[in-house]
Amino acid sequence: DVKVTQSSRYLVKRTGEKVFLECVQDMDHENMFWYRQDPGLGLRLIYFSYDVKMKEKGDIPEGYSVSREKKERFSLILESASTNQTSMYLCASSSTGGDYNSPLHFGNGTRLTVT
Amino acid sequence: AQKVTQAQTEISVVEKEDVTLDCVYETRDTTYYLFWYKQPPSGELVFLIRRNSFDEQNEISGRYSWNFQKSTSSFNFTITASQVVDSAVYFCALSHYGQNFVFGPGTRLSVLP
Repeated sequence: DVKVTQSSRYLVKRTGEKVFLECVQDMDHENMFWYRQDPGLGLRLIYFSYDVKMKEKGDIPEGYSVSREKKERFSLILESASTNQTSMYLCASSSTGGDYNSPLHFGNGTRLTVT
Repeated sequence: AQKVTQAQTEISVVEKEDVTLDCVYETRDTTYYLFWYKQPPSGELVFLIRRNSFDEQNEISGRYSWNFQKSTSSFNFTITASQVVDSAVYFCALSHYGQNFVFGPGTRLSVLP
């Protein structure tokens, strides 16, 4: 089974701090994604990456950056955390191969609170 | 632009009742995929089913069934004889080439004993 692991389940940070959320997948997937989940809004895509060192902006990239130095790891960075970034963050991965529509495999999520 | 609507925010049923979760989508693409995911209280989204735009056959898997109708742009999900373990948030999603999944807002299903 695919395993997507997010380093923290809960995080509490102060406004203005730099925050790193880490995600690792063990299935050699090409694509990795960061979403945030807020009540009533569903999942919104922040950034995705389809290869090492490649990144693409999603729907809500403002205030975030990402890093993908190794295929299995995709980091989300909040440069200067703000209270409106309090949310559940979900990492996902998927395979490309010959199938551009393979399902996303999700981690357990990181619930971030910015005070 | 692509959009997924799940008009039911919350549904409550009693165990053993049947329940249908609605999903309506918008897309200009002729080739696309639709998905359903389940998010139990533990938080991890679990993939349930994928359907491509050229395959309108309904699918049944145990107590779960899916009804895809291109004419109404709908991909509805029915749970037969619901159980408490079905309590979760269910998300419908749409994808074109797998690099941008668009999710609906989710439907919270509560199955009461």
